[in-house]
Formats: sequence, C-alpha cells, structure tokens
Amino acid sequence: KAGVTQTPRYLIKTRGQQVTLSCSPISGHRSVSWYQQTPGQGLQFLFEYFSETQRNKGNFPGRFSGRQFSNSRSEMNVSTLELGDSALYLCASSLVPGGGGETQYFGPGTRLLVL
Amino acid sequence: SQKIEQNSEALNIQEGKTATLTCNYTNYSPAYLQWYRQDPGRGPVFLLLIRENEKEKRKERLKVTFDTTLKQSLFHITASQPADSATYLCALDERSQGNLIFGKGTKLSVKP
Repeated sequence: KAGVTQTPRYLIKTRGQQVTLSCSPISGHRSVSWYQQTPGQGLQFLFEYFSETQRNKGNFPGRFSGRQFSNSRSEMNVSTLELGDSALYLCASSLVPGGGGETQYFGPGTRLLVL
Repeated sequence: SQKIEQNSEALNIQEGKTATLTCNYTNYSPAYLQWYRQDPGRGPVFLLLIRENEKEKRKERLKVTFDTTLKQSLFHITASQPADSATYLCALDERSQGNLIFGKGTKLSVKP
C-alpha cells in the first residue's frame, strides 16, 4: 500500500503571497490531519478533516484553511504569507478520526520557506 | 495551563546502553499516549501506543510506561544502536480534543 504523499516537497514564496499544499492519504483512510512543525514550537495541530468536513481546528489564524475532497485527498491553503509561516507542513492520515487511539501515518512533509 | 514536556532536547548515549526518554504533561487527561520517531527531513513514524489503564507496553527493544498519577510516560530503548539516533516525539490522545498533542521531541544520539 502506498504511503501518504504530499506535494510539493519544497516551496519558496514571498511575503503576501498565498500557497496551496496537497496531501493524498493512504488508500482507505478517510481522516486527514495537518500539522505545522517549527524548531521553536514543535508539531502543532492545524486541522482535521473527515468525510469532507472539518472536524477539529487548532489555534491558528483564519489565513490557514483547508478542505477535503470526496476521494479523501486534502489541500491546505495559507493566504497572505508571513515570514513566520516558514515551516515543515505535515499531513497525516488515519482510518477514522483522532481521539480514539488511532495511529496516524505521516507524509514526508512540504518544506515552505517564506522570504 | 496545559503543557506537554519532553525532559531534554538532546540525549547522548553510548551504543549498547539503555536510553530513557521522559514525557510529562499537565492539565490533560489523555486516554492514550503515543510515541513516534522522526528522522531528519521525514515525517514522524508511529512506534508504540499505551492506554491509560496500561502500565507498560513492549515491542522488541522498546518499552513504554504510563503513570497517570504522575502524569508521565517513560520511553526506553534497550541495547541502543547508532541506527536508533533520531528525534522521538510523545503525543497525547486527549479525549476532549480529538487530535494528537505533541511534545517538542528529544533528539537521541547513540555513539558507537
């Protein structure tokens, strides 16, 4: 079974631009979560989608948004990029939503650099 | 306030020794606690899960303990090898939140 894939792997943007990141979960997995990882803050939860609905959201500004398609693929969007948005963005998939001891399977991440 | 802390940012040990990593939390009530391994440039990989009513879990050279009274989990790697060098993350599976809450990780270096 193929693992979680994320595209693109690397991205360089300038302040004020917007960016869209894509995640394809493991086949059969319907839950997709997004995390931001920085050296200072570690892994921080952005949001979780299950069956095309946002089920849970972390403490991030409204510039961060996401969606999930009927095939469980997910995208996240960051508008009006700031320097502090430079991070590794990780997507994780699981069979069912979190909170019940489900293992999360992570993709390799998208490294975003904002100049 | 709610906190999850892994005791040290970095841990250096000699090959063959046991590595012990600590995860402490406050003001959470996790039903489960998970440990992940992350290598540079890669996403975290699941290692072990322990439930709130379990004291200990083992998998090959790995052992996890969970003390809900102390609000602490210990992660042990016995007979450590240089290939065990990585960052290890603990994650709480908190009932009320429905998502994993990660510690910042401990970077383990095993020297030959």
